[in-house]
Amino acid sequence: GQNIDQPTEMTATEGAIVQINCTYQTSGFNGLFWYQQHAGEAPTFLSYNVLDGLEEKGRFSSFLSRSKGYSYLLLKELQMKDSASYLCAVRSFTSNDYKLSFGAGTTVTVRA
Amino acid sequence: DGGITQSPKYLFRKEGQNVTLSCEQNLNHDAMYWYRQDPGQGLRLIYYSQIVNDFQKGDIAEGYSVSREKKESFPLTVTSAQKNPTAFYLCASSIGTSGRTGEQFFGPGTRLTVL
Repeated sequence: GQNIDQPTEMTATEGAIVQINCTYQTSGFNGLFWYQQHAGEAPTFLSYNVLDGLEEKGRFSSFLSRSKGYSYLLLKELQMKDSASYLCAVRSFTSNDYKLSFGAGTTVTVRA
Repeated sequence: DGGITQSPKYLFRKEGQNVTLSCEQNLNHDAMYWYRQDPGQGLRLIYYSQIVNDFQKGDIAEGYSVSREKKESFPLTVTSAQKNPTAFYLCASSIGTSGRTGEQFFGPGTRLTVL
């Protein structure tokens, strides 16, 4: 199975940068997703990494190192609306099937 | 607008009753999923379906049942055998299961409370 770890909570100031780390252990790694979830709402897709390196999309960037089993999500120029839970999800291919496993999520609070 | 709908948003049931949660998508996606979310825990997979008339158990299928008679619909029944059914239930769909086609789109969720 998968073991996915991410911090429970982080707090940052509006306009600052926050980095959310995610470490995982899995066999048959087949990609890593980051989702944003506001309280009581559906998760929405932020990024996808399958090869090592940095993927940048506006204020959000995601990095992956497959050899280290490590990813991070970088949020720049934080806004109040970025206060949400951020979910790291790892896809694996085992037993001839794909499976997506989620971490518990990191709650980010942005303060004025 | 294309998307995934779940109804109702809030649902209350008495202990011992079966209840069915609706999930409909008009994205023409082949794969559909049901997750359960509890406070402080990640999403846990209940059931998934990659094609019509076929579905597989996820990590926590006990006490749940599903059907996939139409591509657009994947209802979840929470039976009285489920020991702790109160939770936030999320339905998702994806074009496929590999590469970027595996990106899952989520519905708004149903919060089930069993009294």
